[in-house]
Amino acid sequence: DAGVTQSPTHLIKTRGQQVTLRCSPKSGHDTVSWYQQALGQGPQFIFQYYEEEERQRGNFPDRFSGHQFPNYSSELNVNALLLGDSALYLCASSLGTAATYGYTFGSGTRLTVV
Amino acid sequence: KQEVTQIPAALSVPEGENLVLNCSFTDSAIYNLQWFRQDPGKGLTSLLLIQSSQREQTSGRLNASLDKSSGRSTLYIAASQPGDSATYLCAVRPGGGKLIFGQGTELSVKP
Repeated sequence: DAGVTQSPTHLIKTRGQQVTLRCSPKSGHDTVSWYQQALGQGPQFIFQYYEEEERQRGNFPDRFSGHQFPNYSSELNVNALLLGDSALYLCASSLGTAATYGYTFGSGTRLTVV
Repeated sequence: KQEVTQIPAALSVPEGENLVLNCSFTDSAIYNLQWFRQDPGKGLTSLLLIQSSQREQTSGRLNASLDKSSGRSTLYIAASQPGDSATYLCAVRPGGGKLIFGQGTELSVKP
């Protein structure tokens, strides 16, 4: 049973560029959330997608956007990259939006902005 | 505003010791609390999920307790092993879909 799959694993981008990160949820899950984790910090919630709509958003600027596809996979897009966007980006999936179930996380994408 | 704090930030123990990691949160209005393990540079592995109506959950050598009224949770690790070395994160779900994380406790178990 495949868990949460994220691609790519590592990425280096130049300041001002745009980046797209991808996530496939665990089999049977239909809800995808994205988190940003700076070095030495706990993950920070970016947003959550369910039924192809953004359901909740954290305190991140509009440069961060996302999409969920009919097969439940998701993309995170970041425009106009800043050095401060360098972080580990984590995708988490769950079943529905109720709090009954916990979250399963992927291994993350390490983004370095130079 | 919900805030989650984990103390200590780092802990080093000899192999075989029983240990307790602490997590506190400022707002008791949560749906559940989840403990995770993170190896260096890796993603998060879920250890235990405690619903707000529950007092504790157990999995193998791990036991997590929740005292919602006092805003505290503990993760107890019995008979620690070098393979337990990792960062342990707690996260609360206050509502909606987001999790709010603490900064983690970095555990090192020495052989």
